[in-house]
Amino acid sequence: GAVVSQHPSWVICKSGTSVKIECRSLDFQATTMFWYRQFPKQSLMLMATSNEGSKATYEQGVEKDKFLINHASLTLSTLTVTSAHPEDSSFYICSATYRNYNSPLHFGNGTRLTVT
Amino acid sequence: AQKITQTQPGMFVQEKEAVTLDCTYDTSDQSYGLFWYKQPSSGEMIFLIYQGSYDEQNATEGRYSLNFQKARKSANLVISASQLGDSAMYFCAMRGGAGGTSYGKLTFGQGTILTVHP
Repeated sequence: GAVVSQHPSWVICKSGTSVKIECRSLDFQATTMFWYRQFPKQSLMLMATSNEGSKATYEQGVEKDKFLINHASLTLSTLTVTSAHPEDSSFYICSATYRNYNSPLHFGNGTRLTVT
Repeated sequence: AQKITQTQPGMFVQEKEAVTLDCTYDTSDQSYGLFWYKQPSSGEMIFLIYQGSYDEQNATEGRYSLNFQKARKSANLVISASQLGDSAMYFCAMRGGAGGTSYGKLTFGQGTILTVHP
């Protein structure tokens, strides 16, 4: 089955530093990848849609300068949290899809970010 | 705009019994897809089952079945013969149809925490 790899699985960083999270589709070409954020015991909130070779589309209320998304190839999308603050601490999870609309979104295992 | 509602924050079930997790949705799209995902404490999102809006038959995948009632806009998940390993958070999600304003995006419900008792 389709596999999406997300790295790192957890990261602790100091306030003011930047953190990069990678999302890779291992056995298929992901034309579109999605980045979600999840607080404990809450739902997944879509942050942005990442399309290969074009700028990401951000959801309302998400700061594009703070959450930089790059989708340089059909198998890799990255999310960089710039100048991280403690309130950015959260669970970030990516998903990827084939061109086929009916295929389910496959998710990475998520990244737990803690900003101290 | 799409909206998914899961009204059960938590559910308890005895091992080997069946349980139904509720999900209602709202959309103006004619074509859409409905998904259920399981999220254990480790955080990974595990795809369980899919139902297309034009599918006439309810989807089934092993112990999982989706009770799709289009007129009521509900897509309840039924887990038969519950196992201890089924304890997790369950999310209902909707994907907008081609040509619709929400195409490709997955909108999630609030989630239901299922606890299976031995």
